[in-house]
Amino acid sequence: GQQVMQIPQYQHVQEGEDFTTYCNSSTTLSNIQWYKQRPGGHPVFLIQLVKSGEVKKQKRLTFQFGEAKKNSSLHITATQTTDVGTYFCAGQGYGQNFVFGPGTRLSVLP
Amino acid sequence: SAVISQKPSRDICQRGTSLTIQCQVDSQVTMMFWYRQQPGQSLTLIATANQGSEATYESGFVIDKFPISRPNLTFSTLTVSNMSPEDSSIYLCSVEKEGAFTEAFFGQGTRLTVV
Repeated sequence: GQQVMQIPQYQHVQEGEDFTTYCNSSTTLSNIQWYKQRPGGHPVFLIQLVKSGEVKKQKRLTFQFGEAKKNSSLHITATQTTDVGTYFCAGQGYGQNFVFGPGTRLSVLP
Repeated sequence: SAVISQKPSRDICQRGTSLTIQCQVDSQVTMMFWYRQQPGQSLTLIATANQGSEATYESGFVIDKFPISRPNLTFSTLTVSNMSPEDSSIYLCSVEKEGAFTEAFFGQGTRLTVV
């Protein structure tokens, strides 16, 4: 079945540094979504990418969908302590349910 | 958007007992999803619940262990039966709303500890 992998598993950064997490699917996706889960909280939707090569920005966050629609990345510029949490990608194959990646846990040191 | 009320928020249960988790949505949705999240881990889909039909279970999950009810378009329950310590986890219900894009909304989760 479809597998979704994410790297790195953990990332510790100093406040103000950049952060990137990468998501890879074993199969071609119809779309990919990104979620953020704060410690003790539930996943919250960030964005959905649908088109090959699509790039979307939300303030300091940049999301990219690969040309082959099998990988994606989330980049945060100049991290802040409010960025702390686990970032999950969720890939949806054609006619399939979403499959969540294992997540990247980000900690930001002030 | 969708607002999901899930309860209980947490419980400590004896092994061998069962716990039913309730999920109430503020709007009608076709499908509701139940996930399990082990501490520090990702979300694993247990089953998809459609109103008026039996839930569809993912590999590794069976109806006898995780019976699901979906009596209407705004409500679902998940029961964790004959619990063992390995069932200790966070259980989340989720719905998807389609508009310009499909977005998943999650309940607050139920933190279950089996002793």
